[in-house]
Amino acid sequence: NFMLTQPHSVSESPGKTVIISCTGSSGRIASNYVQWYQQRPGSAPTTVIYENNQRPSGVPDRFSGSIDSSSNSASLTISGLKTEDEADYYCQSYGSSNWVFGGGTKLTVL
Amino acid sequence: QVQLQESGPGLVKPSETLSLTCTVSGYSISINYYWGWIRQPPGKGLEWIGSIYHYGNTYYNPSLKSRVTISLHTSKNQFSLNLSSVTAADTAVYYCARHDFGDFDWGQGTLVTVSS
Repeated sequence: NFMLTQPHSVSESPGKTVIISCTGSSGRIASNYVQWYQQRPGSAPTTVIYENNQRPSGVPDRFSGSIDSSSNSASLTISGLKTEDEADYYCQSYGSSNWVFGGGTKLTVL
Repeated sequence: QVQLQESGPGLVKPSETLSLTCTVSGYSISINYYWGWIRQPPGKGLEWIGSIYHYGNTYYNPSLKSRVTISLHTSKNQFSLNLSSVTAADTAVYYCARHDFGDFDWGQGTLVTVSS
């Protein structure tokens, strides 16, 4: 079964840049779109990146997404970190007739 | 703008069937898209349960397939989830969503606790 692997946690200081990775277990991650969701405690997930690198309206351009076919991975980059970015982030894609979520990454901004 | 709202019992006994309904407004579920269910156990990550295409084709997480049924109710613009033989491990916030091969549009979620 297709799986997506994320680091359990990352931390960085305000104003810095953080990159969260999402690695596919098999196949080519570039074959299907990757989405990124932000989830704050007690709330439903919200989209910060869809279709690999597209930002919904209202999401600041500090958030960007990319795909690296050579490593079969996707990345979410958040620049100019703010304390309000502290949240859980999940990647999501499709493979083998299943929709799949990564295990989630807890971002701490300290 | 589509809106999704989950409803159903917040407490289910072990071995019984968990049943939830998602009411959709702002879009007809018979036109297009997949309509899915995702859950999140307390303190854990998101798990896709399954989805149904607007034509009625169903797709289930292999780990839950033997216990899951998702159905469309087009006259009410609703879709539903049945999860049988539940245990405490099925305690989670259950989300319904509209999606395709890209973005998910989420409901607010509903907590279902499995306990006697």
